[in-house]
Amino acid sequence: NAGVMQNPRHLVRRRGQEARLRCSPMKGHSHVYWYRQLPEEGLKFMVYLQKENIIDESGMPKERFSAEFPKEGPSILRIQQVVRGDSAAYFCASRPDGARTTEAFFGQGTRLTVV
Amino acid sequence: AQSVSQHNHHVILSEAASLELGCNYSYGGTVNLFWYVQYPGQHLQLLLKYFSGDPLVKGIKGFEAEFIKSKFSFNLRKPSVQWSDTAEYFCAVNSPNTGNQFYFGTGTSLTVIP
Repeated sequence: NAGVMQNPRHLVRRRGQEARLRCSPMKGHSHVYWYRQLPEEGLKFMVYLQKENIIDESGMPKERFSAEFPKEGPSILRIQQVVRGDSAAYFCASRPDGARTTEAFFGQGTRLTVV
Repeated sequence: AQSVSQHNHHVILSEAASLELGCNYSYGGTVNLFWYVQYPGQHLQLLLKYFSGDPLVKGIKGFEAEFIKSKFSFNLRKPSVQWSDTAEYFCAVNSPNTGNQFYFGTGTSLTVIP
C-alpha cells in the first residue's frame, strides 16, 4: 500500500501564475486534509475534504484558493494568481473511511516557491 | 476550533539528556492526541497516539507521552536523547465531536548536540 503521494515535490511559479498541487491519498482513504507550513509557524489547517465534498474549509483564504477531491483522481489544491506570500510547504494527509480513531498519514509535501 | 499550544519553540540538548516537550489543548470533550516528528526535509511521521485507556502511551524510538485530562496536557518525553532525534516535533489533537479535523501546535524544534 503506497503512502500518500503528493506531486510535484517542488513547484516554482511566477507571481500571477496558477499553482496546482496534487494529492493521492492512501488506498482506502476517503478523507483528505491540506495544511500549509511556514517557517516558525507550524502546520496551519486549510481544508478537509471527503470524496466530492468539502467538509471544512475554515482555514482556506477566501480568495484565490480552492480545493477539490473528485470521485475519481487525486485531490487538488489550486492557488490562482500566486503571490510571494504563498511560498510555503503544502502537506496533504489522509485518513481511512469509517475509522474515527486513527491518525492522519502525511505525504512528502509540495514546496511552492513564488518568484 | 480547537487550539494546541506547544510552549517550547526551540530546545537544545546534549546527547543522553532527558527530554520533555509540553503540549496543551483547548477542547474539553473527547479527544484523540498525537505526536508527530518531522526530520529535516521530510514529511511528518507518527511517533505515538492516544485514543483511550492507559494515559501513558509508548511510541517508537523510545518516546512516550502522558495524557493528563485535568491539565489538558499531553507532554512528550524521552529519558535519553540521541543526535538522530534532531527534528521538529508537533503535537496534534482531533475530536470526532468537532468535525474530525486535526489541529496542530506550532511545533518544537529540537537540536541534539553530540
